[in-house]
Amino acid sequence: GQNIDQPTEMTATEGAIVQINCTYQTSGFNGLFWYQQHAGEAPTFLSYNVLDGLEEKGRFSSFLSRSKGYSYLLLKELQMKDSASYLCAVRGRDDKIIFGKGTRLHILP
Amino acid sequence: GAVVSQHPSWVICKSGTSVKIECRSLDFQATTMFWYRQFPKQSLMLMATSNEGSKATYEQGVEKDKFLINHASLTLSTLTVTSAHPEDSSFYICSAWDQGRGYEQYFGPGTRLTVT
Repeated sequence: GQNIDQPTEMTATEGAIVQINCTYQTSGFNGLFWYQQHAGEAPTFLSYNVLDGLEEKGRFSSFLSRSKGYSYLLLKELQMKDSASYLCAVRGRDDKIIFGKGTRLHILP
Repeated sequence: GAVVSQHPSWVICKSGTSVKIECRSLDFQATTMFWYRQFPKQSLMLMATSNEGSKATYEQGVEKDKFLINHASLTLSTLTVTSAHPEDSSFYICSAWDQGRGYEQYFGPGTRLTVT
């Protein structure tokens, strides 16, 4: 079966760093995505990992370990606008992208 | 960048009626389009995968006779919710993917359906 786990909610302070973890068990693996979603809007693409290691893009970084079925999204220098849901998603063998339940991140001033 | 549009952005309909939602890739040809449904404070649930010119593949638990998907061209897919019920009220999002463009799928802005 397919299973993608991430924390339901997290809280962090403006200017700080937060790490959102994601573990997955899927039928095949063709890449892992992180998306940001604000309430009532469609998801926006943040990152994609298909090989092990860290991908850095500005304030956001994403890490993947395929052997452990594990990824994390690291957000640095948090801003109030980063308050959103962060969705971990895996593309399986059949190229379908399955989403985790999402992590709601609250940023405190 | 690649742009995907959805129409309408929101719709209210009465129980028992049918509603059609369009998903268009505006500046690229999408070999595959996906339809998702999202209930409040929940994640996106994949409903079906459609490839141009072939029948859609539905996820387990999704009624294909209720959610009709037509992928008539490389730039247009439609989702028709037939005999809508209040429990079908949700946020419906499509995404489009062109394997030749790489790994990213591009999301439409979503359609908010309310069935009264």
